[in-house]
Amino acid sequence: LAKTTQPISMDSYEGQEVNITCSHNNIATNDYITWYQQFPSQGPRFIIQGYKTKVTNEVASLFIPADRKSSTLSLPRVSLSDTAVYYCLVGDMFSGGYNKLIFGAGTRLAVHP
Amino acid sequence: NAGVTQTPKFRVLKTGQSMTLLCAQDMNHEYMYWYRQDPGMGLRLIHYSVGEGTTAKGEVPDGYNVSRLKKQNFLLGLESAAPSQTSVYFCASTPATSPIEQFFGPGTRLTVL
Repeated sequence: LAKTTQPISMDSYEGQEVNITCSHNNIATNDYITWYQQFPSQGPRFIIQGYKTKVTNEVASLFIPADRKSSTLSLPRVSLSDTAVYYCLVGDMFSGGYNKLIFGAGTRLAVHP
Repeated sequence: NAGVTQTPKFRVLKTGQSMTLLCAQDMNHEYMYWYRQDPGMGLRLIHYSVGEGTTAKGEVPDGYNVSRLKKQNFLLGLESAAPSQTSVYFCASTPATSPIEQFFGPGTRLTVL
């Protein structure tokens, strides 16, 4: 299983763009990269998923370089409500790897006024 | 749609007592999961199920049992609770067609004295 490494915490201010980078050096060919968001006292919520290059949805963008050994979650113009823990996960969708998804400690993002 | 619901929301047990946590989902998802989250840490997979009548062990299964008698329900049992099982328990479900996006319940906060 691909192990992921991401910063423990980050601070930002309202209106800024936040980029959280995740390292996954031993990612396998069939692995997808997924990011979740967790607010205090709530379960995690799926944000975005990608395999390579760039993926964008209404919440965030995900940038994946050609070697796929890292990925960057980009949150445009954050607000106080984006304060949460963000998890980067790597897993194989097609051979049961999704049942072994590992939620590490995540990155605690604090957005300040 | 209620999504994923968990019962109860809070519970305090004494060491040695038993209890069952109930997870229900109304999205007709095939896969269901039980995780535990300890303070300041990520989620760890306890057990999971890929269909009615089938269950499998996750990363930390010891001390827990599960049953999936109906597709919409996934039960987590503690036969003899221990203080080390004090945690927040999250249930999640996902469709077989897109297993990497998990939908989480609100959690059950369990304290074992």
